[in-house]
Amino acid sequence: GAVVSQHPSWVICKSGTSVKIECRSLDFQATTMFWYRQFPKQSLMLMATSNEGSKATYEQGVEKDKFLINHASLTLSTLTVTSAHPEDSSFYICSAREAGKTNSPLHFGNGTRLTVT
Amino acid sequence: GQQVMQIPQYQHVQEGEDFTTYCNSSTTLSNIQWYKQRPGGHPVFLIQLVKSGEVKKQKRLTFQFGEAKKNSSLHITATQTTDVGTYFCAGTYNFNKFYFGSGTKLNVKP
Repeated sequence: GAVVSQHPSWVICKSGTSVKIECRSLDFQATTMFWYRQFPKQSLMLMATSNEGSKATYEQGVEKDKFLINHASLTLSTLTVTSAHPEDSSFYICSAREAGKTNSPLHFGNGTRLTVT
Repeated sequence: GQQVMQIPQYQHVQEGEDFTTYCNSSTTLSNIQWYKQRPGGHPVFLIQLVKSGEVKKQKRLTFQFGEAKKNSSLHITATQTTDVGTYFCAGTYNFNKFYFGSGTKLNVKP
């Protein structure tokens, strides 16, 4: 089946530093990837839609300069949390859908637990 | 933004009892998908519903999509301890972005 690899699985960083999270589709191509944020015991909040070769589209209330998204190839999207603060601590999870299959399910990475100290 | 509401937030049942979670949208959905997330894990796709009034079954799980395509439900018959986890619905309004419901956490007592 379709596999999405997300790295790192956890990261601890100091306040003010930046952290990059990678999301790779291993056995399929994904023109679109989605980045979600999940707070403890809460739902997945869509942050942005990452489009290969073009700018990401951000959901209302999500700072594009804070959460930089790059989708440079059909198999890789990255999310960079810039100038991280403790309130950015959360579980970030990416998902991807196979290119050309608008009705197909989302395939999720295992998520990244970010802790900002 | 778009919102998909889901109830209940928690459900504790005795093993063998049934369980149902409901999702509702104020606007018509293009389709809806259901996911299960185990503690510490990532959401895993269960099923997709596309047609108005659609009903699909997977063993003890029954999924329904309302006639107006604004609501959906997941029903588990005779729960087992392996059913423990959080069940999310995820709806899309344009076959593109999926918006997740708040999830229902199911706990099954043996």
